[in-house]
Amino acid sequence: EVQLVESGGGLVQPGGSLRLSCVASGFTFSDYWMSWVRQAPGKGLDWVGNIKPDGSGKNYVDSVKGRFTISRDNAKKSLYLQINSLRAEDTAVYYCARGSQWLLDPWGQGTLVTVSS
Amino acid sequence: DVVMTQSPLSLPVTLGQPASLSCRSSQSLVYSDGNTYLTWFHQRPGQSPRRLIYKVSNRDSGVPDRFSGSGSGTDFTLKISRVEAEDVGVYYCMQGTHWPPGFGQGTKLEI
Repeated sequence: EVQLVESGGGLVQPGGSLRLSCVASGFTFSDYWMSWVRQAPGKGLDWVGNIKPDGSGKNYVDSVKGRFTISRDNAKKSLYLQINSLRAEDTAVYYCARGSQWLLDPWGQGTLVTVSS
Repeated sequence: DVVMTQSPLSLPVTLGQPASLSCRSSQSLVYSDGNTYLTWFHQRPGQSPRRLIYKVSNRDSGVPDRFSGSGSGTDFTLKISRVEAEDVGVYYCMQGTHWPPGFGQGTKLEI
């Protein structure tokens, strides 16, 4: 069974940093693009970005460029999202998902990031 | 950026009756490889989204055949032939043809 388990969320002050992790199982992790999508409380879904199978290429939406960094460790079957200079508007559940914008499935259960003083 | 517009935003339905959800894009979603990367997701309260349909009309494994997707270019539809109680939640369409990818606002299906 394909599983994605996120962790690393929590309460952080504005301007702070956080590193989210997503551990994959049930499929050959190194064969797949991986993506991050976020959802603010009570709101819709927003793309963050994605990363190629070998980590050689990454794409970000403009609103997170320069502050968010996606990386992966294929040996550990893990995907990461480093978030810096956190703002209140970054408060959201962050989901990792297998695949790219062309084929995205499945999603993890998400990890909540709350930015507040 | 491509804007995805879903309608209606709220859809009250009766069990056993059909439902039709619309998704429109501000640009054609036909990609250079000939595919149209329009995906439908379903999100139940408190859960993560689940993919139902990919590339307009391909139903995922385990998705009941009462769900069907159709459309082309900029106009797409998700149809539920007979709504069941487990179908409640929010349905999102997503375009993956153009960067950045984008989701519609969602249609909330209520019994």
